[in-house]
Amino acid sequence: DVVMTQSPLSLPVTLGQPASISCRSSQSLVYSDGNTYLNWFQQRPGQSPRRLIYKVSNRDSGVPDRFSGSGSGTDFTLKISRVEAEDVGVYYCMQGTHWPPSFGQGTKVEIK
Amino acid sequence: QVQLVQSGAEVKKPGASVKVSCKVSGYTLTELSMHWVRQAPGKGLEWMGGFDPEDGETIYAQKFQGRVTMTEDTSTDTAYMELSSLRSEDTAVYYCATDGLRLWGQGTLVTVSS
Repeated sequence: DVVMTQSPLSLPVTLGQPASISCRSSQSLVYSDGNTYLNWFQQRPGQSPRRLIYKVSNRDSGVPDRFSGSGSGTDFTLKISRVEAEDVGVYYCMQGTHWPPSFGQGTKVEIK
Repeated sequence: QVQLVQSGAEVKKPGASVKVSCKVSGYTLTELSMHWVRQAPGKGLEWMGGFDPEDGETIYAQKFQGRVTMTEDTSTDTAYMELSSLRSEDTAVYYCATDGLRLWGQGTLVTVSS
């Protein structure tokens, strides 16, 4: 099974400052169709997860453009250009290229 | 607009089974690939199983093989996840999710306690 490793696991940030989360997979996430099925999810306290990014860099509808995803192969990054109070929560990467799908451990974003 | 509405919280004794439902509205279940994900208290997300459209079958995570069954009632557009031989470690919030995990239910808390 593919192991997803996130870093850091805890990320204190100052409001208005950028934040970056890394996600690495134990094998390439490029599928035979040429797509890379790497998603990012946000889970605010007490809420269901919400998908932010799919296929590495595509923002879901309604997701602010301060969120961006990048990467290729086995290394991926989620960036928040300017952190706002509503961004507090846990962020997960997840791969859907290889079955079974697998999540990273989660990165907790909090305000300093 | 597609919505997933799950059944209410459950309390079960060790060794029992639980069946969680996920009602789809705004779409028909046959057009969706449903997944189930759980989250133990204070822990991360754990994929339990889901429909693989390429193989046309439901795949279960090895950890749950033999204990989990995911079914669908297309007449009511409701998906079900049944977990048997419950133990305390199965205490968690169970989510249904679909459309590439873009859409999630509100979660169902299952508590296993004697």
